[in-house]
Amino acid sequence: AQRVTQPEKLLSVFKGAPVELKCNYSYSGSPELFWYVQYSRQRLQLLLRHISRESIKGFTADLNKGETSFHLKKPFAQEEDSAMYYCALRTGGGNKLTFGTGTQLKVEL
Amino acid sequence: GAVVSQHPSWVICKSGTSVKIECRSLDFQATTMFWYRQFPKQSLMLMATSNEGSKATYEQGVEKDKFLINHASLTLSTLTVTSAHPEDSSFYICSARDRVLTDTQYFGPGTRLTVL
Repeated sequence: AQRVTQPEKLLSVFKGAPVELKCNYSYSGSPELFWYVQYSRQRLQLLLRHISRESIKGFTADLNKGETSFHLKKPFAQEEDSAMYYCALRTGGGNKLTFGTGTQLKVEL
Repeated sequence: GAVVSQHPSWVICKSGTSVKIECRSLDFQATTMFWYRQFPKQSLMLMATSNEGSKATYEQGVEKDKFLINHASLTLSTLTVTSAHPEDSSFYICSARDRVLTDTQYFGPGTRLTVL
């Protein structure tokens, strides 16, 4: 069965410091990985997906199949990055998503 | 951008009653909608996949007679929690997959259910 692991419940960094939110997955097939973000009092929204290989709001994530990881990175954290971040794995081609437990990112001044 | 709404945003009910939660895609058509449940400080757990015009597909461990799902149109899916009990208290979130942009899934704001 598929599984997504986010080992950190809370990550606190100072403004301007680099950020790395860890995500590891377990899936026997070809994975599709996503990062979703939930800002305070807002709904869950897509941040980025691995197939796009794009940078959104300064965030990037590279799929490492050897390490089964999809860590989210940003070189310089901003206060507005404070939010809950969920890593998700899509399987079966039917848009079914398996979510990790989430990491709360807190960017301090 | 595409918007998914949920109604109500919160509801309090007595044990034994049934509660209906609506999920609507406001400016796009959704052949598939998903219902999640989220406990405090925990992740979203997929409960069921709702397909327009057909029966919902439930995840293992989810009672289909307890959580009735109806996807009557391309813009509306409903989740009815039947004979609710305090352990059903949770945050219920729906998402909708755009019929055209099938790779994209949009989330609703969630419904907080409290069963007394």
